[in-house]
Amino acid sequence: ILNVEQSPQSLHVQEGDSTNFTCSFPSSNFYALHWYRWETAKSPEALFVMTLNGDEKKKGRISATLNTKEGYSYLYIKGSQPEDSATYLCAFSSNDYKLSFGAGTTVTVRA
Amino acid sequence: KAGVTQTPRYLIKTRGQQVTLSCSPISGHRSVSWYQQTPGQGLQFLFEYFSETQRNKGNFPGRFSGRQFSNSRSEMNVSTLELGDSALYLCASRRGNTEAFFGQGTRLTVV
Repeated sequence: ILNVEQSPQSLHVQEGDSTNFTCSFPSSNFYALHWYRWETAKSPEALFVMTLNGDEKKKGRISATLNTKEGYSYLYIKGSQPEDSATYLCAFSSNDYKLSFGAGTTVTVRA
Repeated sequence: KAGVTQTPRYLIKTRGQQVTLSCSPISGHRSVSWYQQTPGQGLQFLFEYFSETQRNKGNFPGRFSGRQFSNSRSEMNVSTLELGDSALYLCASRRGNTEAFFGQGTRLTVV
């Protein structure tokens, strides 16, 4: 069983503040690490797919880093806005194409 | 380009019945994965199909089965429904080992 762990489970952020949360994953059989945003009443949508150790990706105010040697990834939100409220899922993609998800971090941005 | 389509969107079944859910992937995507999401849980991996063959399987009982057709459309079947099978079932399609595109999901309620 692949253990993809995310912490914290939830967090509340004041509008304008920055925040970050983590995803840990097995370091063996690694192919890629994905981040998805899942807004209420919508489907999960991909934010980033990272494959190389040290990868950093950015989309607007959201960025992510990857450390495959120690098996963790961080997602950062800079200057949080109410529209950033969502559940953020990370997923471990192995060489056999299996995509395994963590339980997610639910972010609530208070105006 | 049409997205991933799941039918039906909502379903109410009685304990002991069986149910079949359908997923039409994005054109050109040959991989279809199924996930179960229950309150407080992340996306639990059920199985993945590629070119009409089950390529990966999660840790669900044999009551959960699936298949994929030559046009890459996939169906998931649950037999002898239990109350605990009430969940949101999501399917996702992929091209290769890349990002997953999700459908809107089927909300199954077992009474």
